[in-house]
Amino acid sequence: SYELTQAPSVSVSPGQTASIACSGDKLGDKFVCWYHQKSGQSPVLVIYQDAKRPSGIPERFSGSKSGNTATLTISGTQAMDEADYYCQAWDSSTVVFGGGTKLSVL
Amino acid sequence: EVQLVESGGGLIQPGGSLRLTCAVSGFTVSSDYMTWVRQAPGKGLEWVSVIYTGGTTNYADSVKGRFIISRDISKNTLYLQMNTPRAEDTAVYYCARSAVAMGNAIDIWGQGTMVTVSS
Repeated sequence: SYELTQAPSVSVSPGQTASIACSGDKLGDKFVCWYHQKSGQSPVLVIYQDAKRPSGIPERFSGSKSGNTATLTISGTQAMDEADYYCQAWDSSTVVFGGGTKLSVL
Repeated sequence: EVQLVESGGGLIQPGGSLRLTCAVSGFTVSSDYMTWVRQAPGKGLEWVSVIYTGGTTNYADSVKGRFIISRDISKNTLYLQMNTPRAEDTAVYYCARSAVAMGNAIDIWGQGTMVTVSS
C-alpha cells in the first residue's frame, strides 16, 4: 500500500520559519494537501493542490513540492501554530495520510 | 452554514454492530466525495472509506468487508455501518467532505464521534 513519510517532530523558535516535509513514491505526480490538528480538535485544511491556501488560512502558511517531496512552510511561526501536521494524497482511489509531524514552538 | 455533525458513537462489544450518522448542512451530500476518517487514541489520521458523487464506494483494507458507507440524499445524511468491530477499530470517527472543486482536498470536517470497542 502507498505510504507518505513525515518526521515525527519538528521544533522551531517563535518568529522563525518551520519546514515540514512529506515524501512518497511518485508524489510528484499527485496533489498534496496539508492539515493541522490542535489537541482535542478536528483537523483543518491549510494547503491543497500542493500550494493553494484555503480562505481564512494565514499567508504565513505555504506549500511547495520538489520531486517526490512536498514541504509545508510556516513563516514567522507563532505559538498558536503548535499542532500536529499531516500531509495527504490520493492514490488508486484511496486517501493516504502521512504519519504526522508534531510541531513544537519553543 | 456548511457543517457536518456526527452521532452514534459509543461503546460496542466485539462482534456487534453500530451505525454512525453524519448530518450534512449547507451543501448536498451527493455533490462531493464524502469520507470517513478515524483517529485511534494518541495516533494519527487513518482514512476509512469514501463514497463518490455517483454512489460508488471504496474502503481501507483494514475495514473492507466489515464496514459499509452509505448516504441518504433525501435526508442529506451520510452513514457508516460498523459490523463485527474489533478492538483496533476504537477511535474517534470523523465525517468529512472531499471537495471536488479543490482537487478532492478534505475541506470540511465534523467534530468527531468516539467509538470504543470493548467487552
